[in-house]
Amino acid sequence: DAGVIQSPRHEVTEMGQEVTLRCKPISGHNSLFWYRQTMMRGLELLIYFNNNVPIDDSGMPEDRFSAKMPNASFSTLKIQPSEPRDSAVYFCASSPQALNQPQHFGDGTRLSIL
Amino acid sequence: DQQVKQNSPSLSVQEGRISILNCDYTNSMFDYFLWYKKYPAEGPTFLISISSIKDKNEDGRFTVFLNKSAKHLSLHIVPSQPGDSAVYFCAAKYNAGKSTFGDGTTLTVKP
Repeated sequence: DAGVIQSPRHEVTEMGQEVTLRCKPISGHNSLFWYRQTMMRGLELLIYFNNNVPIDDSGMPEDRFSAKMPNASFSTLKIQPSEPRDSAVYFCASSPQALNQPQHFGDGTRLSIL
Repeated sequence: DQQVKQNSPSLSVQEGRISILNCDYTNSMFDYFLWYKKYPAEGPTFLISISSIKDKNEDGRFTVFLNKSAKHLSLHIVPSQPGDSAVYFCAAKYNAGKSTFGDGTTLTVKP
């Protein structure tokens, strides 16, 4: 079975450019999560969706960050404009919406903003 | 305020011995706890979980213990194997909501 698929795996871009990260969750999973991992802040939740609807975006750092889930099989996380402090590994995860189900993570996108 | 804490950034044990990874939490509303394992360049993968109505859950070499009064849980790996070397994350959630993760503990199992 295919797991959570993220693209690209690596992204290097210059400050000020728009960055779009993509995620395809596991088929049948109703919940989707975006995380950011840094040395300083660990693994922090940015936003999560249930049935394509954003439920909690309190972790989104600022207006430069936006996330969408236009359908059950695709989500994007966009940073515009990007800044060097956005450099991190971004993970997408999905899970069934049923109670107490573990999350399944993608392998992440390593983002470097120069 | 960090609601889930893993106070040991790293742990080194000898192959065959027991590894004990610890996790503390502050939010008494948490009712479900999970451990994830992460290898370099991969995403975390689910390892084992425990509900707040239990104090122990076992799966092969892995056992999770929960002490609700102390707001503490631990993961025991017996016997430890070199392939267990990874970063281990503790996570907690309540009411089927979002998970809150600790910062992780890097386990190194020496042959």
